[in-house]
Amino acid sequence: GEDVEQSLFLSVREGDSSVINCTYTDSSSTYLYWYKQEPGAGLQLLTYIFSNMDMKQDQRLTVLLNKKDKHLSLRIADTQTGDSAIYFCAETLGGASKIIFGSGTRLSIRP
Amino acid sequence: DADVTQTPRNRITKTGKRIMLECSQTKGHDRMYWYRQDPGLGLRLIYYSFDVKDINKGEISDGYSVSRQAQAKFSLSLESAIPNQTALYFCATSENGGGPLPEQFFGPGTRLTVL
Repeated sequence: GEDVEQSLFLSVREGDSSVINCTYTDSSSTYLYWYKQEPGAGLQLLTYIFSNMDMKQDQRLTVLLNKKDKHLSLRIADTQTGDSAIYFCAETLGGASKIIFGSGTRLSIRP
Repeated sequence: DADVTQTPRNRITKTGKRIMLECSQTKGHDRMYWYRQDPGLGLRLIYYSFDVKDINKGEISDGYSVSRQAQAKFSLSLESAIPNQTALYFCATSENGGGPLPEQFFGPGTRLTVL
């Protein structure tokens, strides 16, 4: 089936690292994404990784992909209050004609 | 100016009423999508359109219909609204054929409440 699963909530202390995890089902997915939704706004692409990569780093963001376990994670270093948002994991299906989104993980930051 | 706009941003209506949500884009993309977002369920695809003559059902199309009036416009209708259609609705666009990175660009959302 087409299922992308994530935990619903994560709370971290400001300055710590946040790790958001995701499992997906389609081993033929070409792209795997992380989208960010800030309060009252639509989703925006945060980062992505090609399926032939294991890791991608972009400033404070690190994406790890374990294809064997179909596991994707997003690590945010030095988490700030501006990182408070819902983070959606997503995968492509059908030759990139459709994107399947997970349920989203709400990240909250403690002072 | 926003590339993907949705109107209205908020709407409260009663059971049985017909509602239309509109989406416009200035990105020149061929592909447009309608999603609904419910707490704990993420985004679910209602309908999508790859060009003006191509309309496809998503995973939860029952109770909804769409119209692709032009490349830039894609409307979602609820023919007879019911309370479980209360949700946040998002329109999105992407390049034709996926492009080098099939990113989707989202509108700001329409919050619909059906009483």
